[in-house]
This record gives sequence, structure tokens and C-alpha cells, in this order.
Amino acid sequence: ILNVEQSPQSLHVQEGDSTNFTCSFPSSNFYALHWYRWETAKSPEALFVMTLNGDEKKKGRISATLNTKEGYSYLYIKGSQPEDSATYLCATSDYKLSFGAGTTVTVRA
Amino acid sequence: EAGVTQSPTHLIKTRGQQATLRCSPISGHTSVYWYQQALGLGLQFLLWYDEGEERNRGNFPPRFSGRQFPNYSSELNVNALELEDSALYLCASSFGAGANVLTFGAGSRLTVL
Repeated sequence: ILNVEQSPQSLHVQEGDSTNFTCSFPSSNFYALHWYRWETAKSPEALFVMTLNGDEKKKGRISATLNTKEGYSYLYIKGSQPEDSATYLCATSDYKLSFGAGTTVTVRA
Repeated sequence: EAGVTQSPTHLIKTRGQQATLRCSPISGHTSVYWYQQALGLGLQFLLWYDEGEERNRGNFPPRFSGRQFPNYSSELNVNALELEDSALYLCASSFGAGANVLTFGAGSRLTVL
């Protein structure tokens, strides 16, 4: 992995269902992994910053895990709600944030 | 507390013209980052300013430039506009240097005709 990659590019979830998606990143020279949520017509908003292998973060129904040895992070949404519809961006950091292309989540009522 | 503010919200220019975009960071934040999101692409790092100095730039041509003022606000200048410069330009600020958590503005949408 040379760059930050996110999959899938988009997904549709039924309201109430849970979902998860992946961020892959170069495992060498790792410093930190960031997750942002970007709702339509709004600014990207920071969700989590994780630095340690095995880190788990939680904010309401959203949680994230980090595996720095193999270079991936999962973001989970439990019991999806329409307000969870957004593009979720992950980024690695050194002096700047290098973003993946995002996973766009659409929650259907 | 006011967030990161950007102006203008929308800007329409023609090829060859110059565009200037402005950003005011959160009070107390000294670092300002500029990112470009072109259609169908992710956020691409453009420039990083800290304490009035350009600290790093992304893989963009020299016609993308900017500066940071003593009050830490920043402007991004794009000279000799090309059609592919049409994009959303996001500014973000952070406390201190390095890749701390960024607070983003709402962006400036530049359209080049």
C-alpha cells in the first residue's frame, strides 16, 4: 500500500442496520490515523484520531479500530440512522493529513 | 467560538485569470492547510502555512501559491487558471505545527470557464 485507500467507495444501508468499511494505509512510518465525517454542504468534521496498534475509539454509535502492523482501520456504524449519511474520510498524518477518497454512506429509511 | 471561515463561497473565473481565496482560522490556531477536491477525486494537499511561513506544499505547479498573514489568516492564489483548476478548495486550521486534528472551513467552489 503506497497511499491511503478506502473501500468500498459507497454503500447503502437500511435504517437500523449496522455497517463497517475499511481504510488501508502504508504501515511503515506510521504516526496517526484520523477519521472524518463529511456531510453534504457542511465541513469535514473530525471523528477520531488513533495512534496505537489495537486502539479502539467510540463516539455514540460510531466506533473505529486500528491495526498499525498490517495497515488498516475499520469504522463501524451500529444501528444506522439517516443522519449517519455522509462521506467518511480517513487520513494518515505526518506534517499534513493525507486523505483517502472516502466511503459515502447512504442510510435508507 | 467562530469556526474556520472561507471566502468567497463561490467564484467563477475564465481561463488565464487569477483567483484569490481567503481563509480565517480558528482563534489561537497558527497552522493553516489548503486542500483541493477536484471532481471525482479525494482531498489533495496543496499548502501548509505555520507562523507566517510556507512549511510544505503538495504536488501542484508554482502557479498555486499563497501566504499567511500576521493574524494567521491565509490566502490562496491561483494564477493562469486552467479548466482543471475547477474544484472545491478547503482550508483547515490546527493548533500548532504538525498534523494535529484539523478544523475545516466550508470551502470555496472555484469554477473556471
